[in-house]
Parts: sequence; C-alpha cells; structure tokens
Amino acid sequence: GQNIDQPTEMTATEGAIVQINCTYQTSGFNGLFWYQQHAGEAPTFLSYNVLDGLEEKGRFSSFLSRSKGYSYLLLKELQMKDSASYLCAVRDDKIIFGKGTRLHILP
Amino acid sequence: KAGVTQTPRYLIKTRGQQVTLSCSPISGHRSVSWYQQTPGQGLQFLFEYFSETQRNKGNFPGRFSGRQFSNSRSEMNVSTLELGDSALYLCASSSKYNEQFFGPGTRLTVL
Repeated sequence: GQNIDQPTEMTATEGAIVQINCTYQTSGFNGLFWYQQHAGEAPTFLSYNVLDGLEEKGRFSSFLSRSKGYSYLLLKELQMKDSASYLCAVRDDKIIFGKGTRLHILP
Repeated sequence: KAGVTQTPRYLIKTRGQQVTLSCSPISGHRSVSWYQQTPGQGLQFLFEYFSETQRNKGNFPGRFSGRQFSNSRSEMNVSTLELGDSALYLCASSSKYNEQFFGPGTRLTVL
C-alpha cells in the first residue's frame, strides 16, 4: 500500500534547530515535497527533492534518501512564526500527503 | 504575478445538491491539481489536469468530477452532496519545476 508517516506533533524552542522526519512507502517515486501550513491557511511550498542528498534554502533544508524511503526537513534558528504544520508529500503517479507534523515553538 | 485564485471562498449547501468550484492557476502554469482537506483525513488528492486532460485521479467516488479549459482554468463538481463532503477544497497549480502553489481554498459546508 501507499503510506507516508511523520510525527503528529513536535515542540522546540525559539532560536533552536528542529528536524522533522518523514518515511514513505509508495509504489513509485517521482519526488518528495515539503509544505508549511499555518492554521486556517493554504499550504505553502517549501522544497522539492528528487535526488538523494541535502537541499538548502535559507533557514530550511530538506534531505532525501530514496533507498531508505526517508526524508527530513531541518529548520534552523527557529522563529515564533515557524509555528505551523509541516506536510510531507510524495509523488508517484499522483501526490500523496502525510497527515502533517504540528510544530509548536516555545519562547 | 498573480497567485492561484479560487471561487467561491465559502459555500453552504444542503444534502443532495450539487456544487461547482472554480480555480484559476498562475499564468503560464498548465497543471492544476485538486485536493480535499479535512481534520481527520488530512490532504487527499482528488485529480490532476494538464492541458485539458485528466492525468491522474485519486480514490474518490464518481460524484467528484472535474475539467480543465484551454486557458488552464479548472472546475470541479460534486454532485449529490453528502454531509461528509464538508471540507476545504484546495486547488494547486504546478510550475515546470514541480513547485506547487496552492490557492486559498473553498470552504464547503454541507447541511
């Protein structure tokens, strides 16, 4: 079957670093996405990985290992505005989303 | 560049009615996808259109349908509405680099 797993909730402190993991089992693979979604708003695109390795974009980095069916999103220098849900999604012939990880930032 | 727009933003219908939602993608984007988001199920893929052709379809009943026009605008239709269809319906357009941009969504309430 098709399955994407990520932790339901995480808590971190302002200024710290947090890593949100995502594991997937899909019949095919044509890329992995990370999105940020604030409550009551639409998801915002963060990153797209199709090859193994780390992609860095400002305070956010995303890593992919296709052989392990594993990705993580790394957020550095956390700010209060980073409090949101983070969604992992995999494209095989369609895009499948995980349930999202709700990240709480403490001052 | 204008973002993805969806109309209407809010809609209230009763069971048995039908509804049509509209999505205008970012200019130049030819791919449009539709999603249903509910608190219990998260984001679920409905269908994807590219150049007026349905490219992929999720696991939803035939009451859910869509189409795409030559200007890339897309509509989705839900017939014979059920209470469980109450959700946020999101449309997203994709660039050729696979970046996907979401519209603000249509909040549908079925009474």
